[in-house]
Amino acid sequence: DTGVSQNPRHKITKRGQNVTFRCDPISEHNRLYWYRQTLGQGPEFLTYFQNEAQLEKSRLLSDRFSAERPKGSFSTLEIQRTEQGDSAMYLCASSIGTGGNEQFFGPGTRLTVL
Amino acid sequence: RKEVEQDPGPFNVPEGATVAFNCTYSNSASQSFFWYRQDCRKEPKLLMSVYSSGNEDGRFTAQLNRASQYISLLIRDSKLSDSATYLCVVNSGNQAGTALIFGKGTTLSVSS
Repeated sequence: DTGVSQNPRHKITKRGQNVTFRCDPISEHNRLYWYRQTLGQGPEFLTYFQNEAQLEKSRLLSDRFSAERPKGSFSTLEIQRTEQGDSAMYLCASSIGTGGNEQFFGPGTRLTVL
Repeated sequence: RKEVEQDPGPFNVPEGATVAFNCTYSNSASQSFFWYRQDCRKEPKLLMSVYSSGNEDGRFTAQLNRASQYISLLIRDSKLSDSATYLCVVNSGNQAGTALIFGKGTTLSVSS
């Protein structure tokens, strides 16, 4: 399967704990995006990388959230001191960076904060 | 005003019906437009890009009206497998122009 992959698929944690998610984009895609989706809503943009550079961050990305893409390949999203409001599906997408910016999504990581 | 607005539905139609979804967006600087499909508890999947000239892919036709900031999707000859949530999507229109802004989605249920 050469699509976007994400790990873990599900994460249950207690409030206050730190969690880290991983995304592996489609191999030839140089752009990588993180989104968050809650029930009944469309995905909301969090942040964007072109290669290893983080070029855009949403106001939704509080200081408890940090994302990295150290070698321009896979990316990690860390949430520190999780809160119940962080419970959501965290989606990663990638695009080739030319043309119309069609983005292809991974299966997501579903986070539940107890 | 929300950035991308869609009628949430649900649209309940019989097999073979034609159904149309509409969407409006607020940012006149947006340059890219898409329809994504999302099945329950799955990731969004790109259905089609939308161009000013309109475009068709089999039973699906998308239209864009930049002057009215309006996007539509027409599904002809609905199949049971078309049941899903359809997300109207535009790009953010900022300098990077990369973030996608999603509507809440329109739910379609096709019955036999």
